Parts: sequence; C-alpha cells; structure tokens
Amino acid sequence: DTEVTQTPKHLVMGMTNKKSLKCEQHMGHRAMYWYKQKAKKPPELMFVYSYEKLSINESVPSRFSPECPNSSLLNLHLHALQPEDSALYLCASSHPAREGGNEQFFGPGTRLTVL
Amino acid sequence: SQKIEQNSEALNIQEGKTATLTCNYTNYSPAYLQWYRQDPGRGPVFLLLIRENEKEKRKERLKVTFDTTLKQSLFHITASQPADSATYLCVRSGSARQLTFGSGTQLTVLP
Repeated sequence: DTEVTQTPKHLVMGMTNKKSLKCEQHMGHRAMYWYKQKAKKPPELMFVYSYEKLSINESVPSRFSPECPNSSLLNLHLHALQPEDSALYLCASSHPAREGGNEQFFGPGTRLTVL
Repeated sequence: SQKIEQNSEALNIQEGKTATLTCNYTNYSPAYLQWYRQDPGRGPVFLLLIRENEKEKRKERLKVTFDTTLKQSLFHITASQPADSATYLCVRSGSARQLTFGSGTQLTVLP
C-alpha cells in the first residue's frame, strides 16, 4: 500500500467550531508532515513528526494542534480558526532513515473553508 | 535563508517538443534537489531526486540535471504530451527532514 489517505476531502467550518483532519499511511514511514497550501502557492510546512514525536513546528498559531497517536496516523485539530486559514491542507509521509534524500508521499489533501 | 526560485510561473509548449524548467538556488548547494508534479486540487507527486554529486538523472521521458557551479537544476520532459500539463515544483532538501519548495512552474502542453 503506497498511499496516504486524508479525511475529510472537504470541510466547511465556522470560526467557533472544533474539527479535526485525519491522515493515515501504511507504508511504515516514521516521518509525517502537515502542510498548508493556498491557491497558486507552494506548500508551506507546518509540522513534522518523527517517530511519533513532534520535531518541527514552524511557528504555527495554537489554533492548529497536531497529534500523532501512532506511527500510521496523524491528526490536525482545529479550533477558533480564521477565514484566512482557508486552504488545502496536505499530509505527507516519508522514510526518515534517508536523511534529506527522502521523497515525500502526499495525500490528496483536505480543502478547508472557514466561514 | 536558503531560497529556491523557479524562473517561469508559466510555460506553454507544443506537443512533442521538449519542455525545460529551471530551478535556481541561493547560498550553499542543497544535498538533494527533488522535482514534484502537482495537479489542481491534488497533493504533489514525487518524480525525481538528484544528489549534489550527481550531474544527471533520468526516468523514462524525464531528465534532471544539477549544476553546482551555476546553482541550478534543469528539468526536462521530452516528447511532451497534453497529459504532462501540470505544475512542477522544485524542492531542495537536506537535513531536518524538511523540504523547501519553489513557487512552481505551470506547464501547459498544447495539442
């Protein structure tokens, strides 16, 4: 199985809602990532988990809260978001053993709209 | 900071021709340069990776070069097809398991 799955595909939420994005992979990858992508822009790294521990947090606002319950799952908890947080949220995974030379496998993304 | 620049926002070519996309980087050479393809509303898909000590890498109709003197990578698609139309992302990677993305080049192959 060489696939990263993300749910839901689309999410519309109000600024007071709490929701979660989910990501799953079964490739045995021990590095997992969250990216945010705005239209016509490249992906921006948000968080990196390595062996289920948060290793990189790119100064992301606390209204985004990542969680890695096990080596196959990655969640992104959302609370009190702003309309400017509307974007495509991408999850990716990679083999951490190949430091730097690790192609990332991306999921299809969750299209988030904050009203 | 380490930057990656893709010179062209958009590139149109005729079917059957070779598409050449350019990626320039600043400061020190990255250990790796990677190329991804992204279709609208989808996640990027890995295409090729080239190491700092490699000059050229090929995969089917794709070729990537890495010139540390010019601080540049070129990505070629030979015998291009309309199905090759997409945004192509150049990415530098090194330690810390993170990638720095270029802004992308939107390629359109005209039939």
